[in-house]
Amino acid sequence: KNEVEQSPQNLTAQEGEFITINCSYSVGISALHWLQQHPGGGIVSLFMLSSGKKKHGRLIATINIQEKHSSLHITASHPRDSAVYICGGYQLIWGAGTKLIIKP
Amino acid sequence: DAGVIQSPRHEVTEMGQEVTLRCKPISGHNSLFWYRQTMMRGLELLIYFNNNVPIDDSGMPEDRFSAKMPNASFSTLKIQPSEPRDSAVYFCASSLGRRYTEAFFGQGTRLTVV
Repeated sequence: KNEVEQSPQNLTAQEGEFITINCSYSVGISALHWLQQHPGGGIVSLFMLSSGKKKHGRLIATINIQEKHSSLHITASHPRDSAVYICGGYQLIWGAGTKLIIKP
Repeated sequence: DAGVIQSPRHEVTEMGQEVTLRCKPISGHNSLFWYRQTMMRGLELLIYFNNNVPIDDSGMPEDRFSAKMPNASFSTLKIQPSEPRDSAVYFCASSLGRRYTEAFFGQGTRLTVV
């Protein structure tokens, strides 16, 4: 079972497009994490948020605790943004990931 | 700081052998997490330490797996005996604070059990 659902599973877009990845969860998570995993396999923590919105460069993460939903947005996407994006929280709850490919 | 350091980066072993994975957290961090990632199951938390004490090991798959943190700068994950289904990438992460703070991940150890 997986109590975190991400959509879409795969996303291919052109450079410069605005990207949105969604994350819905069915159980309480005190804080939600967004991770980025590049083809080489390394994992980078992008955001940890428990309310509202956070911004880091071209990346924006939002969360609605009542609706149990979070989104990750990428503005002015670039090929180097190509990676798998994973959302989840503490304990066993992690999404399957969204594979993003940005074409030049 | 060099970040979270894991060793080895790759490990190939025969079924039945003991495997030990190592992790050095970021200096000053007091929480450490071991994760396993597979294509089938994605990213799973195996065990979480806070101040060197195992707080939650509910994710440890079975008795063949054990983890220790003898001090604040070192942790091991041991599999004995190893089985082919243990093949996965094992990540160690550390954070400053408890479970709901931002975690920093190591590069992972790719384990192949043949």
